[in-house]
Formats: sequence, C-alpha cells, structure tokens
Amino acid sequence: KNEVEQSPQNLTAQEGEFITINCSYSVGISALHWLQQHPGGGIVSLFMLSSGKKKHGRLIATINIQEKHSSLHITASHPRDSAVYICAVVRGNEKLTFGTGTRLTIIP
Amino acid sequence: DGGITQSPKYLFRKEGQNVTLSCEQNLNHDAMYWYRQDPGQGLRLIYYSQIVNDFQKGDIAEGYSVSREKKESFPLTVTSAQKNPTAFYLCASSIAGVGDTQYFGPGTRLTVL
Repeated sequence: KNEVEQSPQNLTAQEGEFITINCSYSVGISALHWLQQHPGGGIVSLFMLSSGKKKHGRLIATINIQEKHSSLHITASHPRDSAVYICAVVRGNEKLTFGTGTRLTIIP
Repeated sequence: DGGITQSPKYLFRKEGQNVTLSCEQNLNHDAMYWYRQDPGQGLRLIYYSQIVNDFQKGDIAEGYSVSREKKESFPLTVTSAQKNPTAFYLCASSIAGVGDTQYFGPGTRLTVL
C-alpha cells in the first residue's frame, strides 16, 4: 500500500462544477503539499498546509490531521483547471512522498 | 525573472552513453532536488543537496550522479549503469529544507534508444 493515496485517479467534469480531489496518507506528517502539473509537464506548488484550511482564489485546501486526510476543492471549475493534481506529504525533516496524482479534465 | 531552468526539454541518447541534464536556479535557494517521473507513479527522489559541495542520495540514486559546485547549479548525470533511463526528469529548489515549498523547473524528457 502506498503511503499516499489519491482519489479519484481520473475526473472529468463540466465547466462550472465544484471539484473535490482527495488525499489519504498512512503516516504521521509535519506538512502536506498540493501541486499542479500542467499538460506540458511543469509543476506548480499550490498549497503547503499542516492544519486547517487555506484558500487561494477558486482553490481551497483542507486537512484533517486526526483522520490523515486532505482535500483540494476547486469552485466554478474552468477548462484551464485541467491538469494533474498531486498530493505530497512530509514527515519531520524527511523527503517529500508523492501520490500518483489525479488527472482532472474540465469540459467546456 | 527568478526561476529554475532545465535544458534541454527533450533529449535523445543511445543506450550505453552517459548524459548530463542541466538545472540552474536564480532564486538564491540553498536546497535543490532531482526527481524522476514515470507513467502511473509518483515523483521519486534521485538526489538532493541542501548546501553547496554537499548532496545526499534519494530513493533511486543508483545509476545517477550529481555535483553541486555552485549554489545556482545542480547537474544530473544519467550513467550507462542506469537500467531504465527513459523518463521525465524534474529539478526543483527550495529556500532551505526538504519540507519547504519546492519550485520546479519545466522538466527534461529523456529517451534512450
């Protein structure tokens, strides 16, 4: 079993829909990252969080440390949100451990 | 503009040849990383460096080598000892430790024929 599991693996939705991507992990962590990988391969860091909730524009990330679970939400989704969203966790001062990603496609 | 550059974007090599992938950053970050991405798998850490002239092996260092002679540069050499070198390689940097927000380069897609 991977230390970081994401669901769903693939998600297709209509423009305007509310999107939720989930990340579960099996170890104690000090922080969790959400990343976005564009079709060309470039990766952008969206959030780093260790508790609670963070918001940036239409993106919201939440984490529940007790349940070892995080969600990434996208409100009013748009075709430009189509990308692979990757969850990664940090244990103490160790390296990042990455999930395999959720491929999101938003249809106009 | 500050950022990380990787070159080239696409690279083709014959089996048995060593190849060096370039990674440069002008963000004044201390830490730099090399990752490998394969279809259906999460990113895996090859090597990382938290300070000039020092680096540590990641999870899949066999068949790779690095150097960190300058703060701005962290080149990765894929040697002929690497059994399956065809992959997408990503370089990243962060201000300090491995848990910090990492800034990624555009990646190099290496194909070994």
